[in-house]
Amino acid sequence: RKEVEQDPGPFNVPEGATVAFNCTYSNSASQSFFWYRQDCRKEPKLLMSVYSSGNEDGRFTAQLNRASQYISLLIRDSKLSDSATYLCVVSQFAALIFGKGTTLSVSS
Amino acid sequence: GAGVSQTPSNKVTEKGKYVELRCDPISGHTALYWYRQSLGQGPEFLIYFQGTGAADDSGLPNDRFFAVRPEGSVSTLKIQRTERGDSAVYLCASSPDLRTSGNKRDTQYFGPGTRLTVL
Repeated sequence: RKEVEQDPGPFNVPEGATVAFNCTYSNSASQSFFWYRQDCRKEPKLLMSVYSSGNEDGRFTAQLNRASQYISLLIRDSKLSDSATYLCVVSQFAALIFGKGTTLSVSS
Repeated sequence: GAGVSQTPSNKVTEKGKYVELRCDPISGHTALYWYRQSLGQGPEFLIYFQGTGAADDSGLPNDRFFAVRPEGSVSTLKIQRTERGDSAVYLCASSPDLRTSGNKRDTQYFGPGTRLTVL
């Protein structure tokens, strides 16, 4: 079983749609949780950290459920520029453990 | 300011050859990480340094892989006797400090990567 599992997609949505990505992780000792964004042939960039209390950054909302070992990302009012791969990431110590990523394609 | 830089951006080599990949972290960052990303996969941890020492090299796949950071800044990832399966994008990241729980200074910033192709 992979440490971090995500639905690879692709998710194809029109502009303005709301889309949700889910992720599960296997290591209950994981302490830190993130969503990274990766554009085609570019490096991953931190989108947001994820906290048990949930956190929001503009159109993006992330949630963590430690009991279920489940992480989610909600994107509201999708823009063309949101098209990318979204990587679910967990960490127990220094090393980041990445999922395979979920591909989002937003069309006009 | 300048981000993490990696050279070369692309490297094509033949099976069995030796390669070196270089990473220049963000100035002042004490922690440096190497990851490898194969096509269609997320990045996979290889090794990280705190200062000059390798604090965790558990992700190195075998003894053909080695990394150094002699002065606590630039790091070199060395691969001996390259194999076709080593073909991937090698990513370097740095962070101001080593990760501790709730430490906001541990965000990892990635470089553009070196695309290694072993023929």
